[in-house]
Amino acid sequence: AQSVTQPDIHITVSEGASLELRCNYSYGATPYLFWYVQSPGQGLQLLLKYFSGDTLVQGIKGFEAEFKRSQSSFNLRKPSVHWSDAAEYFCAVGPPGDDKIIFGKGTRLHILP
Amino acid sequence: GAVVSQHPSRVICKSGTSVKIECRSLDFQATTMFWYRQFPKQSLMLMATSNEGSKATYEQGVEKDKFLINHASLTLSTLTVTSAHPEDSSFYICSASAGAPADTQYFGPGTRLTVL
Repeated sequence: AQSVTQPDIHITVSEGASLELRCNYSYGATPYLFWYVQSPGQGLQLLLKYFSGDTLVQGIKGFEAEFKRSQSSFNLRKPSVHWSDAAEYFCAVGPPGDDKIIFGKGTRLHILP
Repeated sequence: GAVVSQHPSRVICKSGTSVKIECRSLDFQATTMFWYRQFPKQSLMLMATSNEGSKATYEQGVEKDKFLINHASLTLSTLTVTSAHPEDSSFYICSASAGAPADTQYFGPGTRLTVL
């Protein structure tokens, strides 16, 4: 069965510091991979996605993620965080060709001034 | 990007009553809509998938008679929580898709349901 693991429930970084949010998945083949951000009062916003091809994916808001097949990981990174990045981040997987998405439990990002 | 709205954003109801939540795709036609439930500090759990004009497909463990889903048009889906109980209190989120692959899901802002 497909599953997504986000090992960190909370992450705290200082503004301007680099960020890496971890995501591991379990799936028989290479799934579609996503990162979403959820801010209070707003819907989930897609940051980036990986379907195939280049394993380093660029997204919106300065985020990027790298797909590592050998580690079944799809970690999200940002070189310098801003206070506005404080939010809940969800990693998600979906079987190729299917509409369904399975979400991880999320990582809450806190930013120190 | 595409916009999905939900109404109401918050609702409080008494136990035993029914509540309807609307999900609308404002600027595109949604062939498929999804309903999720999110518990505090938890992930989104898919409840059901609905395609316009056909019956919804419910995930295992979701009571279809309790959570009635109607996808009457390409821009509107509704979730009705029937005979609501306090344990139904949750954050309900819809998403809309113009079709596979999965990247075309656009999410609504969610509805906070509190059952007293």
